[in-house]
Amino acid sequence: SQKIEQNSEALNIQEGKTATLTCNYTNYSPAYLQWYRQDPGRGPVFLLLIRENEKEKRKERLKVTFDTTLKQSLFHITASQPADSATYLCAYSDQGGSQGNLIFGKGTKLSVKP
Amino acid sequence: NAGVTQTPKFQVLKTGQSMTLQCAQDMNHEYMSWYRQDPGMGLRLIHYSVGAGITDQGEVPNGYNVSRSTTEDFPLRLLSAAPSQTSVYFCASSRRQGAYEQYFGPGTRLTVT
Repeated sequence: SQKIEQNSEALNIQEGKTATLTCNYTNYSPAYLQWYRQDPGRGPVFLLLIRENEKEKRKERLKVTFDTTLKQSLFHITASQPADSATYLCAYSDQGGSQGNLIFGKGTKLSVKP
Repeated sequence: NAGVTQTPKFQVLKTGQSMTLQCAQDMNHEYMSWYRQDPGMGLRLIHYSVGAGITDQGEVPNGYNVSRSTTEDFPLRLLSAAPSQTSVYFCASSRRQGAYEQYFGPGTRLTVT
């Protein structure tokens, strides 16, 4: 079955630096993947979706890449701010193609220090 | 738009009691789902629905029932609560199943003693 691994449980960086979070999958290449942000005591909030035929997607200070050769997605936050501190979740479909339900990684807790 | 709403926010149950967690969305979404989130385990899918009258099991369905009589509502029933069901429960909806962003509710924190 498909497995999702977010390499770091926690990442600490200095304000102004670029945060890079990693998400790996183990089996088939999914048709798409998604990234979510979760603040303590709240539900996840959708950030970005990238499809397998897209190498990169950007939204303001956020950038997601999708490398099907490495079976990996990277999530970047440039010019990070303390307000970016949260847990970030990646998610893939549990089936090939564009259908299926999402499988979530365990998340990476990002702390941005002023 | 209220988005996805869940009630209650907090609940304490005794082992063996039953209860229903409520979930509603006002975005006319076809797809709705229930997840539980436990420390170190991430979000795990309990049940999902691709439309009114259609439900199916996710990764961890045992001990839970769902129904989808309307597009808007997707209640989750705990039949006989067990301490292993202590968790935070999230309801989510999206336009359709698959490559669509999911909207999550605020969650219900359930403790079973």
